[in-house]
Amino acid sequence: EPEVTQTPSHQVTQMGQEVILRCVPISNHLYFYWYRQILGQKVEFLVSFYNNEISEKSEIFDDQFSVERPDGSNFTLKIRSTKLEDSAMYFCASSAQGRRGHGYTFGSGTRLTVV
Amino acid sequence: AQSVTQPDIHITVSEGASLELRCNYSYGATPYLFWYVQSPGQGLQLLLKYFSGDTLVQGIKGFEAEFKRSQSSFNLRKPSVHWSDAAEYFCAVGPSNFGNEKLTFGTGTRLTIIP
Repeated sequence: EPEVTQTPSHQVTQMGQEVILRCVPISNHLYFYWYRQILGQKVEFLVSFYNNEISEKSEIFDDQFSVERPDGSNFTLKIRSTKLEDSAMYFCASSAQGRRGHGYTFGSGTRLTVV
Repeated sequence: AQSVTQPDIHITVSEGASLELRCNYSYGATPYLFWYVQSPGQGLQLLLKYFSGDTLVQGIKGFEAEFKRSQSSFNLRKPSVHWSDAAEYFCAVGPSNFGNEKLTFGTGTRLTIIP
């Protein structure tokens, strides 16, 4: 079964450093998403991306965040200057065009720890 | 705006007993609905989803859910739980438009299984 792949599975970074979280969506999917889950809390939508541009973003997704699809397979989330409160599990997801929610699939997540 | 309420933060059930996890949603049109399960430190695994048609949906691991439009509910059920079902369960709702499909998650219900 096709999978969404996220790397690394765990990243530790110092406050103020830049991090890039990487995702390889399912190959024929066209919609890409990032979600965040702070420890013990619910999963929250960050951003959706389609046709090489952001289609929707949440209040959490401020100027320190950016997303990019640098080539035909990767989808990245960059946090420019990490803060302690950015520590969370970050999930990538992708979905196909057409039938609602078709193939909506989450990756296994990247646990980001900011120290 | 769409929202999801999972009124039970924590449920404890004996192994072999039946289970029902509650989920209520708020959305102006016909939503599509998901249940995900998350084991500690792990990613999100899709249990089942509802788009349209039969309001009783079968999922993996013996789970089922019933969509009740009149009650705005999508409760998850299992006739007999196993110790391996101990996890966090999230209900999620998505919009009914094609394409960009941001999911809104509930706060989750933690399920504990006792012998």
